[in-house]
Amino acid sequence: DTAVSQTPKYLVTQMGNDKSIKCEQNLGHDTMYWYKQDSKKFLKIMFSYNNKELIINETVPNRFSPKSPDKAHLNLHINSLELGDSAVYFCASSVRGPRGTGELFFGEGSRLTVL
Amino acid sequence: SQQGEEDPQALSIQEGENATMNCSYKTSINNLQWYRQNSGRGLVHLILIRSNEREKHSGRLRVTLDTSKKSSSLLITASRAADTASYFCATDAGGTSYGKLTFGQGTILTVHP
Repeated sequence: DTAVSQTPKYLVTQMGNDKSIKCEQNLGHDTMYWYKQDSKKFLKIMFSYNNKELIINETVPNRFSPKSPDKAHLNLHINSLELGDSAVYFCASSVRGPRGTGELFFGEGSRLTVL
Repeated sequence: SQQGEEDPQALSIQEGENATMNCSYKTSINNLQWYRQNSGRGLVHLILIRSNEREKHSGRLRVTLDTSKKSSSLLITASRAADTASYFCATDAGGTSYGKLTFGQGTILTVHP
């Protein structure tokens, strides 16, 4: 059983299109994240949700809209795709505890290529 | 600005040798974590060290943390070809940054059989 699964694994699309990436975790975690990894492997947080509530929104263009229908799912919708959106998008989850951010469990990534 | 910076950017060694990777960061932290990423895969958590800890071991991994120098090191002993991967440090600043892990750019480790 995959702990954090995201679909699709690959996305190739034209500029201006809209696309969505879905993420599901079966670990019972209450916090989920979207990270973006660029071509230089730099990993940057985009969003974090705790129990369906947005807690981190890191100056991401509002073309990116996360949605958490329940605490096991966090989807990412991207409108009007641009060339610079090409990257690998990782979903992750963790338990929110009193002693800080714990171990993150990552999905396998969704590689988005915008042509 | 980027919180964690890793050194070296790339490391190439022979099987059986030890590999040491360093991470420096800028602000105070709650904890520091190390992750491994195999090519084309997601990140896998290796070890977490809290700000009040100085050293931690897990199997062939040894992590140290020096909060006065704002630096950490990851030592992999008796490396194997299967250790070939990118290694990232990530810092948790805590407080209002709760839930936000800030990653370094990683060290690419190649272990030759």
